[in-house]
Amino acid sequence: EVQLLESGGGLVQPGGSLRLSCAASGFTFNDYAMSWVRQAPGKGLEWVSGISGSGETTYDADSVKGRFTMSRDNVKNTLHLQMNSLRVEDTAVYYCAKLSGRPPWYFDIWGRGALVTVSS
Amino acid sequence: VMTQSPATLSLSPGERATLSCRASQSLSDNLAWYQQKPGQAPRLLIYGASIRATGIPLRFSGSGSGSEFTLSISSLQSEDFAVYYCQQYNYWPPMNNFGQGTKLEIK
Repeated sequence: EVQLLESGGGLVQPGGSLRLSCAASGFTFNDYAMSWVRQAPGKGLEWVSGISGSGETTYDADSVKGRFTMSRDNVKNTLHLQMNSLRVEDTAVYYCAKLSGRPPWYFDIWGRGALVTVSS
Repeated sequence: VMTQSPATLSLSPGERATLSCRASQSLSDNLAWYQQKPGQAPRLLIYGASIRATGIPLRFSGSGSGSEFTLSISSLQSEDFAVYYCQQYNYWPPMNNFGQGTKLEIK
């Protein structure tokens, strides 16, 4: 069974940092691009970052560019999102999502999410 | 930019639901639909505008191409009341690729 399990969420002050992780299982991890998608409380879905299967190429939304860094460990089948210079508006549930097999990519499997709260 | 309508749809179990999604540019058939229930992650329903994902009941169907798309639910079951999002994946990176959602509520 394909599973994604996020961890690392929590409460952080504005300007602080947090690192999210996503443990993947049930599929050949390095064959698939991955993404992070977030959802602010009571709001819709917003794509945040994406990474190729090899990890060589990353993509970021303008709202997080220069502050968030996505990476992956294809030995440990784990995805990471390093979030720096956090803002109140970054408060959201962050979902790890697997992308479909080949471009064009849609999100075919989602994790349960990790809540990040940025507040003083 | 993806625009969904209506924002809220109030229907009774057994009725047919029709949800719309419009794109500001042509997407070919690179359009997906997701269902999200309260406190849960989104779940893929439809991709390729009309292809049901694994395990999705036959009462869910998608149609359309280009810039106009529709998600239909033929006979609403209690578990279908949720928020539905459309998402374009014709362009990468996928900036502004989700619609704002349609909340399907029990009348």
